[in-house]
Amino acid sequence: NAGVTQTPKFQVLKTGQSMTLQCAQDMNHEYMSWYRQDPGMGLRLIHYSVGAGITDQGEVPNGYNVSRSTTEDFPLRLLSAAPSQTSVYFCASSYGGSNQPQHFGDGTRLSIL
Amino acid sequence: AQSVTQPDIHITVSEGASLELRCNYSYGATPYLFWYVQSPGQGLQLLLKYFSGDTLVQGIKGFEAEFKRSQSSFNLRKPSVHWSDAAEYFCAVGGPGGSQGNLIFGKGTKLSVKP
Repeated sequence: NAGVTQTPKFQVLKTGQSMTLQCAQDMNHEYMSWYRQDPGMGLRLIHYSVGAGITDQGEVPNGYNVSRSTTEDFPLRLLSAAPSQTSVYFCASSYGGSNQPQHFGDGTRLSIL
Repeated sequence: AQSVTQPDIHITVSEGASLELRCNYSYGATPYLFWYVQSPGQGLQLLLKYFSGDTLVQGIKGFEAEFKRSQSSFNLRKPSVHWSDAAEYFCAVGGPGGSQGNLIFGKGTKLSVKP
């Protein structure tokens, strides 16, 4: 009963480095999304996907890239890390879309030095 | 534009006291409303949701919320708070667009519980 699994849980990067945050779900959900959470800001949508091969931008997409080659996986790529991308990142999935209950992973805490 | 406002950043209540967390939303169509709870170091867990029908909805852990269209509010309540309820609570609104990535979260209310 894994649900939504995010890896890694913690990561420290240097400015300019790239990395991929992994997200996998085993509930056969079509809709998946990435949020970032910053103190006092709530959750802000980065990118989302309504199914394999289909992605779209959310509120704060700059500096991030996504792809969806399978229903299960939705990786988030930081192309050239910047200190402003220091945040906690959450992946979520749902059966019917953004207006359905979301299942969240436990998050990846990312620090950019 | 749709938005969610949680007026209280931090609330402290005594264990056993009642609780009400406020949420106001702005949305042009029929809103889909949610309350989520986040314990430290964890992801968000759904407490309850409102899509249509009875405006008083029951959730997990003894929580309930009331949808008031005239006030654009969806306040979360619990009659008697337990120490384990200390967490951060997020209200969120989505719309009938479904898959269009339009789920908006409030900035959260942190709940502390005094023994």
